[in-house]
Amino acid sequence: RKEVEQDPGPFNVPEGATVAFNCTYSNSASQSFFWYRQDCRKEPKLLMSVYSSGNEDGRFTAQLNRASQYISLLIRDSKLSDSATYLCVANTGSSNTGKLIFGQGTTLQVKP
Amino acid sequence: EPEVTQTPSHQVTQMGQEVILRCVPISNHLYFYWYRQILGQKVEFLVSFYNNEISEKSEIFDDQFSVERPDGSNFTLKIRSTKLEDSAMYFCASSEARSFFGQGTRLTVV
Repeated sequence: RKEVEQDPGPFNVPEGATVAFNCTYSNSASQSFFWYRQDCRKEPKLLMSVYSSGNEDGRFTAQLNRASQYISLLIRDSKLSDSATYLCVANTGSSNTGKLIFGQGTTLQVKP
Repeated sequence: EPEVTQTPSHQVTQMGQEVILRCVPISNHLYFYWYRQILGQKVEFLVSFYNNEISEKSEIFDDQFSVERPDGSNFTLKIRSTKLEDSAMYFCASSEARSFFGQGTRLTVV
């Protein structure tokens, strides 16, 4: 079983749409979780951390459910510039300095 | 925003040759990492480095790989005898509270 599993997509949505990505992780010892964004042939960039209480950053909302080992990302009012691959990431260390385990990524294409 | 820098951006090498990929982590960071991403696949952890020694390594990081922090600023990844399957994007990262990634070195083994 993959350590971090995502639906690879692609998700093709019109501008202004709301889109949700899901992710599951297998290692219950994972301590912290993140969503990264990766543009084609570029490095991963941190989008946001994910907390059990849920957290929001502008149009982006992330949620963690430790009981079901499930992570989500909601993007509201999609922009063309949101087109990218979204990576679900688990940190296996006891702090944010542990190794990162990446999912395969979910590709989003926002169309005009 | 602080940056992790990597050189070269692209390296082409012949199979069997040694390559050294270089990284300059963010100056006050203490934790350093190498990851790789084969084209079309996920980002994979290779090795973590703390306090001048390897703290963890993956199955990928076999005897052909080594890391070094030779001068207190650079952090290098050496592949002793490259194979075709080593062709990938190699990302360096450093962290304190969060990980910052360099722009990557695209390694092509021919």
